[in-house]
Amino acid sequence: ELVLTQSPATLSVSPGEGATVSCRASETLYSNLAWYQQKPGQAPRLLIYHASTRATGIPARFSGSGSGTEFALTISGLQSEDSAVYYCQTYNDWPPLLTFGGGTKVEIK
Amino acid sequence: QLRESGPGLLKPSETLSLTCAVSGASISNTNYYWAWIRQPPGKGLEWIGSVYFNGTTYYSASLKGRLAMSVDTSKHQFSLRLTSVTAADTALYYCARESFYIDGSGYHYLQWFDSWGPGTLVTVAS
Repeated sequence: ELVLTQSPATLSVSPGEGATVSCRASETLYSNLAWYQQKPGQAPRLLIYHASTRATGIPARFSGSGSGTEFALTISGLQSEDSAVYYCQTYNDWPPLLTFGGGTKVEIK
Repeated sequence: QLRESGPGLLKPSETLSLTCAVSGASISNTNYYWAWIRQPPGKGLEWIGSVYFNGTTYYSASLKGRLAMSVDTSKHQFSLRLTSVTAADTALYYCARESFYIDGSGYHYLQWFDSWGPGTLVTVAS
């Protein structure tokens, strides 16, 4: 069973600083990983797919990297509106098995 | 746009039926699947299953025996039916549009969710 482990569970960062969220897979994913942002009371929003491709309308301060089993979402120049829970998600398995990581809460100090 | 609708409150052993209305895009668009994802209160996201406009479905292994999904192209909506619900099925249920990839052998590989509904809370309690 494929498992996605996100770390840290919570990240507290000052405005203007950078933050990095990690996602580790129990087996290789190649580049088949997406990232989502979920603000309180809202549905998730797609940020990144193919590990590093920004979705339509996503600011350039959000970037994704990694391949294989180690991935990262980096937010540079954090803004107050970036306070949210971030999830990674894997895809392209057969038969289809879409798995989410446990989430990382990013707080603005 | 997507918008979920459903009963809100169910008793254990009842059947959950949810509908997702699709507007601003064709549910018959051959480039997308239509998916359900749920989120128990205070917890993470769980993929439930996905359906194509022609009725092709893929389900989570953990729910496969209780789950059925369908599409009604004339009404521009797709639906979820989950039988024998328990308290463990209490969650915020989201519908979403899903990208996919077709390989050279014609297999459909489900991918990411690029548009989501606001979600509908389903509570199972006696």
